[in-house]
Amino acid sequence: DVKVTQSSRYLVKRTGEKVFLECVQDMDHENMFWYRQDPGLGLRLIYFSYDVKMKEKGDIPEGYSVSREKKERFSLILESASTNQTSMYLCASSFHDRAHQPQHFGDGTRLSIL
Amino acid sequence: SQQGEEDPQALSIQEGENATMNCSYKTSINNLQWYRQNSGRGLVHLILIRSNEREKHSGRLRVTLDTSKKSSSLLITASRAADTASYFCATDAHQGAQKLVFGQGTRLTINP
Repeated sequence: DVKVTQSSRYLVKRTGEKVFLECVQDMDHENMFWYRQDPGLGLRLIYFSYDVKMKEKGDIPEGYSVSREKKERFSLILESASTNQTSMYLCASSFHDRAHQPQHFGDGTRLSIL
Repeated sequence: SQQGEEDPQALSIQEGENATMNCSYKTSINNLQWYRQNSGRGLVHLILIRSNEREKHSGRLRVTLDTSKKSSSLLITASRAADTASYFCATDAHQGAQKLVFGQGTRLTINP
């Protein structure tokens, strides 16, 4: 089975801190995605990557950056955390060169910014 | 804007009954997918239907797709308490790199 592992289930940080959320997948997927999920807003794409060192902005990239140095790992970085970044963050992965592929999700990181 | 919109937002039924959730979308698609999310967990892929398919089954799940109406439905038959979860539709909308756009989901509660 595909395994997507997010480093923390719960995280509490302070305003202004630099925050790293890590995601690792074990299925050799080319695509990796970071979403945030908020009540009433559904899932919104922050960034995605289709290859090592490649990244593209999603719908809400402001305040975030990403790093993909290895194929299996995709990191989301909050450069200077703010309270409006309190949310559930979900990582996902999928194959790139095969049509009609589902995304596989991690269990999420519930991040609170105080 | 949301590509997929689920209806209803919340649904509560008795165990053993069937549950139907609907999804509407706005633009042409390659496929439409349904996902399930248990409370506080990640999303789990349930079923994928391609744009040239009209109906698909997987166990107690039945998905239909009407591209002329830009809509899909997910039917769960003989519901169980363990089916309690949120259900999301997602479309790829020809965006490339298999990006998906998710709806806001239907919260399904199965009462024992």
